[in-house]
Amino acid sequence: SAVISQKPSRDICQRGTSLTIQCQVDSQVTMMFWYRQQPGQSLTLIATANQGSEATYESGFVIDKFPISRPNLTFSTLTVSNMSPEDSSIYLCSVDRVPTSTDTQYFGPGTRLTVL
Amino acid sequence: GQNIDQPTEMTATEGAIVQINCTYQTSGFNGLFWYQQHAGEAPTFLSYNVLDGLEEKGRFSSFLSRSKGYSYLLLKELQMKDSASYLCAVRDQAGTALIFGKGTTLSVSS
Repeated sequence: SAVISQKPSRDICQRGTSLTIQCQVDSQVTMMFWYRQQPGQSLTLIATANQGSEATYESGFVIDKFPISRPNLTFSTLTVSNMSPEDSSIYLCSVDRVPTSTDTQYFGPGTRLTVL
Repeated sequence: GQNIDQPTEMTATEGAIVQINCTYQTSGFNGLFWYQQHAGEAPTFLSYNVLDGLEEKGRFSSFLSRSKGYSYLLLKELQMKDSASYLCAVRDQAGTALIFGKGTTLSVSS
């Protein structure tokens, strides 16, 4: 398995501000993903964080709102920009070490964001 | 489009057996996964199926029929700690992220 840490674990933010979430993995991984889990809902993929190039965003998510960095194979950040209460959610980092194998995706502990 | 369906809620009693069904319609198929998620925690991996048939792992088993786009998770000898949300997820292509269903909330009572 992979050990994944996220910072911060939770935050309460004001409307209009931005928050950057960090994801650190204990080993090099091929694929890193960011998901959102709104209250009482399942996981929705925001984007795939690509090392050395721009992230690949899913329909409904844009780079201006959710800029992502991935400077190396063990670290990524997700920024939630110009926040509104609708952005209140849990944000989860996920990794897939060897995507062509039977290996699964592992999840970080999540960042619980509340926007007032 | 991509669609994964599972029941919203299920209830069962301690010691019983429960089956959580999942049907999927995806553009491709590269594996079906089941995760368990307790309230306030991250999802944890339970099982993986890529070929038809049953995979058994202790009290948990998972079944897959690719031709029917169908899977189930079977939980035996239920315990109170099994109360959680169970997420069905599909990888439609190698190297891509999992697509999740809405999850099934299982409540186990004594």
